[in-house]
Amino acid sequence: EPEVTQTPSHQVTQMGQEVILRCVPISNHLYFYWYRQILGQKVEFLVSFYNNEISEKSEIFDDQFSVERPDGSNFTLKIRSTKLEDSAMYFCASSGTGLNQPQHFGDGTRLSIL
Amino acid sequence: GQQLNQSPQSMFIQEGEDVSMNCTSSSIFNTWLWYKQDPGEGPVLLIALYKAGELTSNGRLTAQFGITRKDSFLNISASIPSDVGIYFCAGQLPLPIKAAGNKLTFGGGTRVLVKP
Repeated sequence: EPEVTQTPSHQVTQMGQEVILRCVPISNHLYFYWYRQILGQKVEFLVSFYNNEISEKSEIFDDQFSVERPDGSNFTLKIRSTKLEDSAMYFCASSGTGLNQPQHFGDGTRLSIL
Repeated sequence: GQQLNQSPQSMFIQEGEDVSMNCTSSSIFNTWLWYKQDPGEGPVLLIALYKAGELTSNGRLTAQFGITRKDSFLNISASIPSDVGIYFCAGQLPLPIKAAGNKLTFGGGTRVLVKP
């Protein structure tokens, strides 16, 4: 069964450094999403992306965050200058077009900011 | 924004028992989804519900989309050890034009544990 894949599985970065989290969505999906989950808390929406532009973003997704679809298969989340509170699991998801298309999630990248 | 209240927060199960959890919202959703998350993994879709009143099964799992569109429940029958994990409900609002692509709002999760 097709799946969303994310790399790396774990990223450790010094505060203030830039990180790029990578995702390969399911191949025929056209809607892409990033969510995050701080340890022990609920999954929170960050951003959705369709047709090479952001469809919606949450208040968490400030100017430090950006997303990109650099080629036909990858979808990336960049955090420009990481803060301690950015430490979380980051999940990528994708969904197909048309009615009744649920979102499917990757296994996440654990981001640890030191 | 929309908030989903999921209960119970945690529960202990004994093999063979039935398990029930639910989500309520102050807002109407047009889609309800139930996911399971195992340690170190992402949420895995269990059941998707698209119509008010809809009752859908997936093996030992049964979920219903409440008539008011503001609630949903998930039942697990005859639980087995691998049912342990965290179960999340998620609601999705409709977009005015596109049928897909809208964000999910997640509940706080129900942690299912095995009785010692």
